Parts: sequence; C-alpha cells; structure tokens
Amino acid sequence: DAGVIQSPRHEVTEMGQEVTLRCKPISGHDYLFWYRQTMMRGLELLIYFNNNVPIDDSGMPEDRFSAKMPNASFSTLKIQPSEPRDSAVYFCASSIQGFGYGYTFGSGTRLTVV
Amino acid sequence: AQSVTQLGSHVSVSEGALVLLRCNYSSSVPPYLFWYVQYPNQGLQLLLKYTSAATLVKGINGFEAEFKKSETSFHLTKPSAHMSDAAEYFCAVTARRGANSKLTFGKGITLSVRP
Repeated sequence: DAGVIQSPRHEVTEMGQEVTLRCKPISGHDYLFWYRQTMMRGLELLIYFNNNVPIDDSGMPEDRFSAKMPNASFSTLKIQPSEPRDSAVYFCASSIQGFGYGYTFGSGTRLTVV
Repeated sequence: AQSVTQLGSHVSVSEGALVLLRCNYSSSVPPYLFWYVQYPNQGLQLLLKYTSAATLVKGINGFEAEFKKSETSFHLTKPSAHMSDAAEYFCAVTARRGANSKLTFGKGITLSVRP
C-alpha cells in the first residue's frame, strides 16, 4: 500500500495566483480530511468528505478556499487567489468508516506564497 | 463535543531517561484516544490508540499509554528515551459512537532528547 499520496511536496507561488493541492487517499478508505498546519495555529481541520461528499467545511477559512472530491481516489484543495498568510503545510488524511481506526496522513504540501 | 489538553509545548529529556507526555481529554461520550508522532518535514504517524479494549496500550518504538477514565487522562510514556524519539507528539480524541465524529487534536508537544 502506497499510503496517502500528496502532490506537490513543495509549492512556491506569487500572491494572487491560483494554487491546487492534490491528494490520493488509500484505496478503500471512505473518509478524506484536509488539514492545515502552521506554527501559530497548529493543526486545523479545513474540510472532510465521506464517500466523496463534503460533510463539514466549517474550517475552510474563506471563500478563496475550495475543495472537491470527484471520485474515491482523488481530491483537490484550491486556493484562489492565494495570499502570503496562506503559507503553511497542508496535509491530507484518509480513514475507513469507524473512527477507531484513526487517520493515515500524507507527507504534506509545504506552500509558500510570496 | 470532545477536546484534548496537552500542557506545555516542549519537553526535554536526557537520552535513556523516562519520557512522559501528558494528555487530558474531555468527552461527553466514551472516547477513542490516539497518539500521533510527527518527525520533521513529515506527516503524522499513528503511534498507538485506545479503542476500549485494554486500558494499557502498547505502540510502536517502545511507547505505551494508559487510559485512566477517572483522571480523564491518556499519558504517553517510554521507559528510555532515544535520540530518534525527538519529534512532535499529538494526542487526539474522538467519540466512540456517533456519525461523522471527527478526530480532535491537541496542540502538540515537542520532545527534545539531549545526548
């Protein structure tokens, strides 16, 4: 099993540009989570999906952020337009039904907006 | 709703010393509890979890944690620290029942190991 795969690992972009982060969950996992991690705010849940349907997006900071899960094997997190304060490490995680299994995290995307 | 408190942000121990990282939780329903470790520039890895079987849970790399309902605690311990244990550690809680009950993470504790 390749685990949760995120791309790219690093992204540097200019303020105002669109950024798309990608995630491939573990096959068979029916929950997918997007987190953001910063020194100041720690680990923040942005949004999560169950069976490709968004369940809770209350953590999405602004309308500039959007997430999609068109199928069970792929999800994107888009920021448009990006701002310097969006600089963070973004993690994707997946889980199978029944939260006792815990989450499996990807290696993250380090986003720098200059 | 569930919450986790990890007191302090940094713990420093000598190599070979006992490691104790504290976690207290709050949950209105029976909880599942987890410890995750994050090494520099990596994602979070599951260390161990409590899911209502034995209250003393053993995890990877020699770590263990004990669920104490009376103290609402789930402290992480390791008898002898190794340099490779230096990392950030997160405690997390979720409800044992209830649809769409997501994990709630603590703020994390950074463990340093001195030679």
